[in-house]
Amino acid sequence: EAQVTQNPRYLITVTGKKLTVTCSQNMNHEYMSWYRQDPGLGLRQIYYSMNVEVTDKGDVPEGYKVSRKEKRNFPLILESPSPNQTSLYFCASSSYGEGGGTDTQYFGPGTRLTVL
Amino acid sequence: AQKITQTQPGMFVQEKEAVTLDCTYDTSDPSYGLFWYKQPSSGEMIFLIYQGSYDQQNATEGRYSLNFQKARKSANLVISASQLGDSAMYFCAMRDWELTGGGNKLTFGTGTQLKVEL
Repeated sequence: EAQVTQNPRYLITVTGKKLTVTCSQNMNHEYMSWYRQDPGLGLRQIYYSMNVEVTDKGDVPEGYKVSRKEKRNFPLILESPSPNQTSLYFCASSSYGEGGGTDTQYFGPGTRLTVL
Repeated sequence: AQKITQTQPGMFVQEKEAVTLDCTYDTSDPSYGLFWYKQPSSGEMIFLIYQGSYDQQNATEGRYSLNFQKARKSANLVISASQLGDSAMYFCAMRDWELTGGGNKLTFGTGTQLKVEL
């Protein structure tokens, strides 16, 4: 089954304690991305990757790191989490075509993070 | 800068009736794509329908159709014969290819919460 998986699904942590949210896709997609969802703001892109070892900042990258060492995996790292990073996080992947429906992004199930 | 506007924070519809969720967008890129996603209370993001800026016909997927009015820059989602399971948050999103430098970034609206009633 084609899917994007994220772990953990729920996480409560404390300020300053480093954490990693994993993301993996089995569709051989080149493009992967992280979004955060906050009430009244919709989803905003944090970081994206167009292929292995190619990453770039999205709209709200402060406080986050990413890496893309393998095509299927794109972990999100919070080196020193703060309460304003409490949010619902989504990983997404898509093929890297010239446009059209094949570029549809498929989302993971989400990770609900609370930073106390 | 691209922007997506969803002006209806919440909507109610009776079961079996049709409902239209509004979405307007703003972009200077002639090549772009418009997407609708459904987010039920369980939280996952479910892709519903896609419309390309050069598509001649409005997209349809089962009970979902997209009323694409390019001159008005609107891409409204129409759900026919609403079902209780349609109760969810619905997001409109856009990708423009030139301005994102080849990336696949989606810009989302703030969403519309749809409640289907008996």
